[in-house]
Amino acid sequence: AAGVIQSPRHLIKEKRETATLKCYPIPRHDTVYWYQQGPGQDPQFLISFYEKMQSDKGSIPDRFSAQQFSDYHSELNMSSLELGDSALYFCASSFPGLAANRKRDEQFFGPGTRLTVL
Amino acid sequence: AQKVTQAQTEISVVEKEDVTLDCVYETRDTTYYLFWYKQPPSGELVFLIRRNSFDEQNEISGRYSWNFQKSTSSFNFTITASQVVDSAVYFCALSREPMNSGYSTLTFGKGTMLLVSP
Repeated sequence: AAGVIQSPRHLIKEKRETATLKCYPIPRHDTVYWYQQGPGQDPQFLISFYEKMQSDKGSIPDRFSAQQFSDYHSELNMSSLELGDSALYFCASSFPGLAANRKRDEQFFGPGTRLTVL
Repeated sequence: AQKVTQAQTEISVVEKEDVTLDCVYETRDTTYYLFWYKQPPSGELVFLIRRNSFDEQNEISGRYSWNFQKSTSSFNFTITASQVVDSAVYFCALSREPMNSGYSTLTFGKGTMLLVSP
């Protein structure tokens, strides 16, 4: 079965550079979530999109922005990178379906993009 | 606000021992969902189980079992006859009931690192 695809899997950047992470959700999934997991930490929610609109916002720095495109893939843009941005970035997707069918609202996680800022 | 507490930071067991990972949650919602994820050293997040707040039946899946007790706000996870391949970080997570737009972000606990030695 198709899974969530994230690219790149690994990324090394210098301080103050920019980075773009991409997420391709499972086909027919219309909701995408981004999480950041620092070393030894739990995943922290950054932002989510439903039907190409931002649906919820967590602890996402102002230096970061994200969007969901017409094909439902999403990109997380990170500017003025700092050492503290080094983390594993997960994308998850779900297909909520109708309110009567909650079972479909399970979040499937991608393998993550490991970002290292030097 | 939602909160998940995994009081055990690290547990070490010897193969074939049974081990229970504790999870206590806080929420004001009457409808919510609880999850367990496994994160092996390779880094991906592997979905193990989802339980909604109206279903207090315990569940068993092979060597895994889950004990959901609403009265104590706990959702504990037991691995029977542990194996070396069970070594990983295990996260308990909580989400609200999704609205019709479907988004329901996950709040993770800090995780419990399980080390199973031969």
